[in-house]
Amino acid sequence: GESVGLHLPTLSVQEGDNSIINCAYSNSASDYFIWYKQESGKGPQFIIDIRSNMDKRQGQRVTVLLNKTVKHLSLQIAATQPGDSAVYFCAENISGSRLTFGEGTQLTVNP
Amino acid sequence: DTAVSQTPKYLVTQMGNDKSIKCEQNLGHDTMYWYKQDSKKFLKIMFSYNNKELIINETVPNRFSPKSPDKAHLNLHINSLELGDSAVYFCASSQDRPWGRLTDTQYFGPGTRLTVL
Repeated sequence: GESVGLHLPTLSVQEGDNSIINCAYSNSASDYFIWYKQESGKGPQFIIDIRSNMDKRQGQRVTVLLNKTVKHLSLQIAATQPGDSAVYFCAENISGSRLTFGEGTQLTVNP
Repeated sequence: DTAVSQTPKYLVTQMGNDKSIKCEQNLGHDTMYWYKQDSKKFLKIMFSYNNKELIINETVPNRFSPKSPDKAHLNLHINSLELGDSAVYFCASSQDRPWGRLTDTQYFGPGTRLTVL
């Protein structure tokens, strides 16, 4: 399943499928990006980050892709599990400035 | 061990009251933050302190006053509470100053849900 930019704030996938959450960031000068996961009733939790000198970074079951040309960031979650159900935020930062959060995408994983 | 903790977790109060939310981090970080999350889950920074010094102060009513007794604590005091103050407030911390070089990852507390009646 895939979300398109910030215009589709919800994404529903089947357990075991791959998920892609997209984020269109606003500032071409942004040089650091983070994905956070927020479960219901909890604070945002760091998932993975990427610097602007990279196009791709992989973690455990997660991959972040950065396309600076079109100012696009995506989070790919492999073999999505029910525990992945949460709101996912992208955040951008310009060195010397504050972190700016995107709108968030609600991911729902159906068993 | 809780890295960033906030108290209370829930706060229900009447309009016009004054209330405080406390935050503590045991990560040894230099920078702490307060964020407000509205009903649409939008996270917006309010304040940031580095080593007890205010370094970010967004456009926030002056009814909100942060206080940092030491670099491990950043409390938020709110005077004359209004209905629109109802939200979830998150404290966060990061290792470095948020300028000069790339900001380090911010670690968030569990949040305080404030309801103003």
